[in-house]
Amino acid sequence: GAVVSQHPSRVICKSGTSVKIECRSLDFQATTMFWYRQFPKQSLMLMATSNEGSKATYEQGVEKDKFLINHASLTLSTLTVTSAHPEDSSFYICSASNPLRRTYEQYFGPGTRLTVT
Amino acid sequence: QQQVKQSPQSLIVQKGGIPIINCAYENTAFDYFPWYQQFPGKGPALLIAIRPDVSEKKEGRFTISFNKSAKQFSLHIMDSQPGDSATYFCAASAGGGNKLTFGTGTQLKVEL
Repeated sequence: GAVVSQHPSRVICKSGTSVKIECRSLDFQATTMFWYRQFPKQSLMLMATSNEGSKATYEQGVEKDKFLINHASLTLSTLTVTSAHPEDSSFYICSASNPLRRTYEQYFGPGTRLTVT
Repeated sequence: QQQVKQSPQSLIVQKGGIPIINCAYENTAFDYFPWYQQFPGKGPALLIAIRPDVSEKKEGRFTISFNKSAKQFSLHIMDSQPGDSATYFCAASAGGGNKLTFGTGTQLKVEL
């Protein structure tokens, strides 16, 4: 159990356009989802935490108007990168957890490679 | 306060060796310490995790040692194999379902 999927796995977009990344928990209800970005050979940097049905909480330095997060259901969260620029090119990874299950585990998706040209 | 320091940055061992990766933290509110394995181009996969009420946990070839007084924890990989070559991240969180603070990662290579 505890499978998290992401779509798409890779996306290339032109500078100035927007791109949406989906994160789904396939076999459990994810009351909380997290979005990370990872640059090559670096660690994961938390961008935001989203709880189902409420606004996301963004980490310091992350532009909430640029990285729009929606967590409308217990199995789906989306990250939209608006007006993308080449510096937004990165590996975006989501994770999901359900504290109501009284476990601490977070399960990660396979990641989405975004390239902005 | 929120940092998790991880060492070494990279590690090369021979097949069958026991690589050890160390992490240290400052925030005494942390109560969950997982280790993740990540292959290139893939998301991290949960390997093993420990809570502070135990000093050691084993799952297969992976062992976590936890020293609460020193605020340190480490990952040992027994009988390491070339397939274990990956990047390993330690992490910590305070409370269930809360955000993880990640270490900087250790790139492990297991040679034949």
